[in-house]
Amino acid sequence: SQQGEEDPQALSIQEGENATMNCSYKTSINNLQWYRQNSGRGLVHLILIRSNEREKHSGRLRVTLDTSKKSSSLLITASRAADTASYFCATGRLTGGGNKLTFGTGTQLKVEL
Amino acid sequence: DARVTQTPRHKVTEMGQEVTMRCQPILGHNTVFWYRQTMMQGLELLAYFRNRAPLDDSGMPKDRFSAEMPDATLATLKIQPSEPRDSAVYFCASGLLGQGMNTEAFFGQGTRLTVV
Repeated sequence: SQQGEEDPQALSIQEGENATMNCSYKTSINNLQWYRQNSGRGLVHLILIRSNEREKHSGRLRVTLDTSKKSSSLLITASRAADTASYFCATGRLTGGGNKLTFGTGTQLKVEL
Repeated sequence: DARVTQTPRHKVTEMGQEVTMRCQPILGHNTVFWYRQTMMQGLELLAYFRNRAPLDDSGMPKDRFSAEMPDATLATLKIQPSEPRDSAVYFCASGLLGQGMNTEAFFGQGTRLTVV
């Protein structure tokens, strides 16, 4: 079952614009992660934010986390055609001695020239 | 260049046959995940291991699926008997769960399974 739902399901923007994707989840978490997937490939980790953090930056990526609303957002600034991919949030819950990672439904981002 | 290796990359099999997918996690990683990805269901967590012990396999159909880690360098996912609805891309991922207790997962390229 999905822990997170992403919004929007699909997003099309022009190169140079910012892209914002949102993730909502249902249960308590210890961390939230964002991944990227190019068509037909494995997922690649982008950024991790802990439950006691509110904002994190990595290059052109900015992630926010609001645990009271059970939501997170991923902002990609100055998008490039190469950013075209699917983006997934994943919630991490410490359970049974491990970190259970459950993925959302994903947002398909298309960046056009 | 450390990476998670999955074999085979593609598998076409007939309904009823046994399918075994293999995964070599990154050396030193102590956590292994198995996911299944389909258009309809997205990414589903099937099972995950820490230090080779299964922690959660609640997402896995128990009657036909089994996941094991015979040793630290090999994880297997087996389907017996396979059915057309098992057609999907199966991903293995590994991670290092440390004192910080936060793990990023490194994914393999996946095994694309088609059951006809």
